[in-house]
Parts: sequence; structure tokens; C-alpha cells
Amino acid sequence: SQKIEQNSEALNIQEGKTATLTCNYTNYSPAYLQWYRQDPGRGPVFLLLIRENEKEKRKERLKVTFDTTLKQSLFHITASQPADSATYLCALATTGNTPLVFGKGTRLSVIA
Amino acid sequence: GAVVSQHPSWVICKSGTSVKIECRSLDFQATTMFWYRQFPKQSLMLMATSNEGSKATYEQGVEKDKFLINHASLTLSTLTVTSAHPEDSSFYICSASFRDRGRHGYTFGSGTRLTVV
Repeated sequence: SQKIEQNSEALNIQEGKTATLTCNYTNYSPAYLQWYRQDPGRGPVFLLLIRENEKEKRKERLKVTFDTTLKQSLFHITASQPADSATYLCALATTGNTPLVFGKGTRLSVIA
Repeated sequence: GAVVSQHPSWVICKSGTSVKIECRSLDFQATTMFWYRQFPKQSLMLMATSNEGSKATYEQGVEKDKFLINHASLTLSTLTVTSAHPEDSSFYICSASFRDRGRHGYTFGSGTRLTVV
């Protein structure tokens, strides 16, 4: 069956360090992979999208990598801040109009 | 651009009553809307996909007679939880896919916290 796994339920890091979150998937051939941020009691907010033919994408302090051989994406937040504390969700879609399938998320806490 | 407005943000209802949740696309036409449910510390689980003007497609295990979805226009989709029970208490989120000047993506409503007492 298709599965998306995010490596840890919770991650605590010190302010200023780089947070690295992992997303692994099996039995999928995604056209693209997305990362979202979700704050408590709110809907997900889009952060970054990376396509199957792209290795890396950056946006300000965020970086995403996508390895279709390993079936893995890494999400990095550099120079992390307490305001980055949230749950980060990995999501896959096989085509442009199919529903996103989400991982369980990793709850990141950045400690000042 | 590509904003979806979801209402209400929270609702408390009595067991046995029905609750309607609305999602409106404000600045684009949402031909396809997705409805998700999220339990605490769990992932978003897809409930159904609705296309404007046609019947919704429900995921396995989701009762279509209990969770009524209407997508009668390109800017409005509704989810009605009928005869709600405490186990229906959850966080419901709508999402729409959009295309804008060659850019494609998904946008999400802010969610509805349903508590059935």
C-alpha cells in the first residue's frame, strides 16, 4: 500500500541551528512533493513544491531536496527561530489535479 | 491570490443534529474541491473529492449519506455532517486546486473545529 512517513513526530532544536525534517514514501510515483506548515487549529499553509525532475529548491531560509531513487525528501530550515515552531507536513500528488496525500507531520519546536 | 474562505471556524452541536461547513474560493474558480478530516496529532485524511456540478467521490470508509457534499457552483462547496455523533468531532479542512498564469497549486481553508456533545 502507499505510505508516506515523516521521520519523527517531534523535533526540538536550539534557535539559530538548522532543522532537518525527513519525508519518505513507498509505492508512489509522485509528480511532485510539497511541504506545508500547520499551526494549531489552522489549515496547512503552502511552503515549497519540488517536482520529480528537480533535485533542490530554495526559498529564503527554506530548502527542499527530492531524491526519487531513495524516495525521500529533506526539508531544511536554516537559522531557525522560535517563530518557526509549528507542525510541518509533507504531501505528495501524482498528477496536477489529484488530491494531496499527507504524512503525519513533524512538530518542530525551536527553543530560544 | 487563490484564497479559500472556510466557515465556521468552530462549531459545537448537539448529538443528532446536522452541521454545514462552507468553503468559498474568493478569487478563482474551484472546479475541484477536496475535503479532509484531521484528528489530534494525526495526518489530514482525505474524505472526498468534489467536482463542480457532479457527485462527490468518497474515500473508502467514508459514509456518503452522513457526510453530504455539495459543489453546485465554481466558488462554493459545502460539507454537511448529518446526525452528528461525538465520534464525528474533528477538524475538517477543505482544499481546492487552482491554476493561475501557468502556476498550479493547492490552497486550503483555515479549517473548522467540530465538537459534538
